[in-house]
Amino acid sequence: AQSVAQPEDQVNVAEGNPLTVKCTYSVSGNPYLFWYVQYPNRGLQFLLKYITGDNLVKGSYGFEAEFNKSQTSFHLKKPSALVSDSALYFCAVRDISGANNLFFGTGTRLTVIP
Amino acid sequence: DGGITQSPKYLFRKEGQNVTLSCEQNLNHDAMYWYRQDPGQGLRLIYYSQIVNDFQKGDIAEGYSVSREKKESFPLTVTSAQKNPTAFYLCASKWGASGTDYNEQFFGPGTRLTVL
Repeated sequence: AQSVAQPEDQVNVAEGNPLTVKCTYSVSGNPYLFWYVQYPNRGLQFLLKYITGDNLVKGSYGFEAEFNKSQTSFHLKKPSALVSDSALYFCAVRDISGANNLFFGTGTRLTVIP
Repeated sequence: DGGITQSPKYLFRKEGQNVTLSCEQNLNHDAMYWYRQDPGQGLRLIYYSQIVNDFQKGDIAEGYSVSREKKESFPLTVTSAQKNPTAFYLCASKWGASGTDYNEQFFGPGTRLTVL
């Protein structure tokens, strides 16, 4: 069975510093990985995805993620954090059974401190 | 939140009542999904539909029902059999309904259901 883990419930970072939100995955076969962001009382917004190819994936709002097959990780990164980046971040892996659903991690709350 | 609308934004239900949450999309997406979000538990899949007039149970379908009579609409009914229905409900849709596409899902703004 496939799954993702987000080991940190909360991440705090100072404005202007680089940020990392961690995600590890477990799948049999090739992983297809996604990052989403959720602002308070809103739906999820797609940030980026890894399907194949370059291990460094660039997405929306200056975010990028690095796929590391040996460490089974897909960490979300941004070189310089903004206060407006404060939100709940979800990592997800695609279901390999053919139903094409997503399995989500439990989320990481990012707080950027001014 | 793109072209997906959910209504109402807030919903209050008395115990023993059925309620229906609306989800409409104008993106011409094939697949649609319902998720439940509880604090600290991420999103859990309730039902999904890949084509009109067909849908499948997700991980937590008990106490819920859906229909997919039109491509753009996927309403969710929370029945009185659902023992703990207070949660944030999210609808999503996606291009493609096969097992070989890797398209991302687009989410609606959500409905917060509270049982009184």
